[in-house]
Amino acid sequence: DAGVIQSPRHEVTEMGQEVTLRCKPISGHNSLFWYRQTMMRGLELLIYFNNNVPIDDSGMPEDRFSAKMPNASFSTLKIQPSEPRDSAVYFCASSLLQLTEAFFGQGTRLTVV
Amino acid sequence: TQLLEQSPQFLSIQEGENLTVYCNSSSVFSSLQWYRQEPGEGPVLLVTVVTGGEVKKLKRLTFQFGDARKDSSLHITAAQTGDTGLYLCAQPSQGGSEKLVFGKGTKLTVNP
Repeated sequence: DAGVIQSPRHEVTEMGQEVTLRCKPISGHNSLFWYRQTMMRGLELLIYFNNNVPIDDSGMPEDRFSAKMPNASFSTLKIQPSEPRDSAVYFCASSLLQLTEAFFGQGTRLTVV
Repeated sequence: TQLLEQSPQFLSIQEGENLTVYCNSSSVFSSLQWYRQEPGEGPVLLVTVVTGGEVKKLKRLTFQFGDARKDSSLHITAAQTGDTGLYLCAQPSQGGSEKLVFGKGTKLTVNP
């Protein structure tokens, strides 16, 4: 398996623009997580899905953030409108069962100018 | 609020030295995971500890889980430049929501 695949690897956008981050989890994994990593706050969980259903979105910072998982092999994280303080590395991770090993993608480095 | 404190935040040493990094929680761990993250990559699981007092070894890395399951340590013997990275500990969240909460990590630099 190729592991968790995220795209794009890097994204530079202007403030106010819509940004969509994409994730393909490992086949057969039924939990998917979106994390955001910054120097100040470390690795923060934004939202996680179990069997394509959002279970906990308490980490989503604002209504500007939304996430979907239309099927077991694809998820998106959307920011609309984007702001400079959204600049961070966004990771997607998947696991076979909740609380077992989380397999991370390589991340998307987002810069909002 | 569940907190995971990692120390030190930064550590820079010479190749061949030994080091220990720590992870402490405000609550009892049900289990604890250690991850290593290399620059430009996502974190990768090193080990999971479950039982109080447990010691696990992974080559030159020794992981210890405190008897009271509120703290854990990672000891590296004879560090190599390839050990450079961010070391993160993670524990399951409390309160019924099954998710992993991460500490901020220890950024280790091993100089040649």
